[in-house]
Amino acid sequence: EAGVAQSPRYKIIEKRQSVAFWCNPISGHATLYWYQQILGQGPKLLIQFQNNGVVDDSQLPKDRFSAERLKGVDSTLKIQPAKLEDSAVYLCASSTWTGSGGYTFGSGTRLTVV
Amino acid sequence: AQSVTQLDSQVPVFEEAPVELRCNYSSSVSVYLFWYVQYPNQGLQLLLKYLSGSTLVESINGFEAEFNKSQTSFHLRKPSVHISDTAEYFCAVSEVQGAQKLVFGQGTRLTINP
Repeated sequence: EAGVAQSPRYKIIEKRQSVAFWCNPISGHATLYWYQQILGQGPKLLIQFQNNGVVDDSQLPKDRFSAERLKGVDSTLKIQPAKLEDSAVYLCASSTWTGSGGYTFGSGTRLTVV
Repeated sequence: AQSVTQLDSQVPVFEEAPVELRCNYSSSVSVYLFWYVQYPNQGLQLLLKYLSGSTLVESINGFEAEFNKSQTSFHLRKPSVHISDTAEYFCAVSEVQGAQKLVFGQGTRLTINP
C-alpha cells in the first residue's frame, strides 16, 4: 500500500512570498488532515477534511492560510503572505472514516521563511 | 475538548536500561490513544495504539503502553532500550465519536547514551 505523498520535501521562501504544499492521501481514506509542527512542539491541527468538505478549521489562520481538497482526494495548503513564524514542518495525514485504523502521516514539508 | 500532557520534555537513559515516557490526557468522552515516534528528519510513525479491550498494548519493537482510565494515563515503557530508539515520541488522543482529529502532546525526546 502506498503511503501519504507530500511535496515538496523542503522549501525556503522570503517573508511576504506565497507557497503551496501538496498532499496525496492513501487511496480510500476519506479523512485528510494538515498539521503544523513547529520545532520542539507537537503537531497542531490546521484543518481536517471529510471527503471534500471541511470538518474543522478552527486553528487555521484564515487571513493567510487556505486549503482545498479536490474531488475528495488530493489536497493543497497555501500560505499567502508568509511570515517568519510560519517556519515549520507541514504534515499531511489521512485516515479511514472511523479513525480507529490509525492515521498515516506523510514525510512532511519543511518550510523555512527568511 | 481533549488535551495531552507529556510530563517530560527530555529523557536521557543509558543503553540497555529501562525507560518510561509519561503521558496524561484529559477528555470528557471516550478516546482512542496513540504513541507515535519521529526519527530525525522523518515523518511520524505509529508505534502502538489503544482502541478497546486489553489495557496493555505492545509494539513489534519491544515497547508497551498501558491505558489507565482512572488515572487518565497512557505511559510508554520499554524494559531495555537500544541506541536505535533515539527519537522524539508523541502521545496523541482522538475521540471515539465525533470529528476524531488527533490531538498531540508536546513530545518527549528520548536520548540513549552508550
